[in-house]
Amino acid sequence: GQSLEQPSEVTAVEGAIVQINCTYQTSGFYGLSWYQQHDGGAPTFLSYNGLDGLEETGRFSSFLSRSDSYGYLLLQELQMKDSASYFCAVKRETNAGKSTFGDGTTLTVKP
Amino acid sequence: EAGVVQSPRYKIIEKKQPVAFWCNPISGHNTLYWYRQNLGQGPELLIRYENEEAVDDSQLPKDRFSAERLKGVDSTLKIQPAELGDSAVYLCASSPRLPALDTQYFGPGTRLTVL
Repeated sequence: GQSLEQPSEVTAVEGAIVQINCTYQTSGFYGLSWYQQHDGGAPTFLSYNGLDGLEETGRFSSFLSRSDSYGYLLLQELQMKDSASYFCAVKRETNAGKSTFGDGTTLTVKP
Repeated sequence: EAGVVQSPRYKIIEKKQPVAFWCNPISGHNTLYWYRQNLGQGPELLIRYENEEAVDDSQLPKDRFSAERLKGVDSTLKIQPAELGDSAVYLCASSPRLPALDTQYFGPGTRLTVL
């Protein structure tokens, strides 16, 4: 079967750095994506790692270790607007299809 | 560029009633997905289309759910009859053919409440 594990909740203060971990067990693996979803909103794409290592996009970075079946999303210089749910998703085929999502991590940023 | 459009945004029905959701993907996107998202969980794929062909419907409860994408553009997801456990947000997403990344563009969803 497929399983992705991420912490259910994380709390941090404005300006801090937070890391959201994701471990996975899937049949077939091509890459790991991260999506952000504000309350009542649509999931929006943040980043994708197809290879081991770190991908940086502004304040957000994502890391993948295939050998450890592990990845993380790093958010720096936290802002109040970063309060949202963050989902990791495993891409299980070469096409965009077959993506399995984790249950998400709710990030609360406090002043 | 217009995003993925879904309607209605909210729907409240009584159990055993039928309901339909509509999705118009981003122009030029060949791949269309329907997901169901229960409260506190991640999106769960129901069906994926490549143009007008359903290429993955293994998670679609076919006894009550049906979907179509007749001209390979917009799509409709139907539930008949609805059950209490169908209350969820139904998300539509689209992606271009062979995207460079694993980018799926999601619509705002339809929040279904079955009473």
